[in-house]
Amino acid sequence: QKEVEQDPGPLSVPEGAIVSLNCTYSNSAFQYFMWYRQYSRKGPELLMYTYSSGNKEDGRFTAQVDKSSKYISLFIRDSQPSDSATYLCASTGGGNKLTFGTGTQLKVEL
Amino acid sequence: DSGVTQTPKHLITATGQRVTLRCSPRSGDLSVYWYQQSLDQGLQFLIQYYNGEERAKGNILERFSAQQFPDLHSELNLSSLELGDSALYFCASSVGRGPPEKLFFGSGTQLSVL
Repeated sequence: QKEVEQDPGPLSVPEGAIVSLNCTYSNSAFQYFMWYRQYSRKGPELLMYTYSSGNKEDGRFTAQVDKSSKYISLFIRDSQPSDSATYLCASTGGGNKLTFGTGTQLKVEL
Repeated sequence: DSGVTQTPKHLITATGQRVTLRCSPRSGDLSVYWYQQSLDQGLQFLIQYYNGEERAKGNILERFSAQQFPDLHSELNLSSLELGDSALYFCASSVGRGPPEKLFFGSGTQLSVL
């Protein structure tokens, strides 16, 4: 079992839809949670960073962490075609190893 | 542009060969991380250097080695290459020694072993 699990998709939504991307993790020591966005043939780019449980909002993006259920979510409001990318969740317990999910491919269609 | 520079962008080589991948971190960043990305395994952490010293080790094979130089650039050496080593190799940098809360990734080196 991988420490961070993510549905690979692909997930296809119409422009303007609310997108929900999810991950589960198994390591109880994880305290730091991130979402990265990766466009094709590019390096991942940090979108959101949260520590412990709770919500964090940044523009159209909201990250949620529920440590009791070991569940990580990213919501994208008013999705745009430019949001089409692969979204990677990542976690670490405070050590230097950042564990990534395998990514969910998102396509926002006109 | 993340500010992290990786060269070369593409590398094609044969089994048994040795290659060197190079990374220049963002200005001011002291940590360099190396990751391997393949379709089936996703992003796998290989190794981290902080200010010239090895800081953390992940799933790095014994055939692979890395170092960080005094000017903070880093090199990842891959030897006795096998077909399964074909992957996208990313370098990332951050300011501190850890935990890696905010990593800035380069555009990667696509390695093809034939």
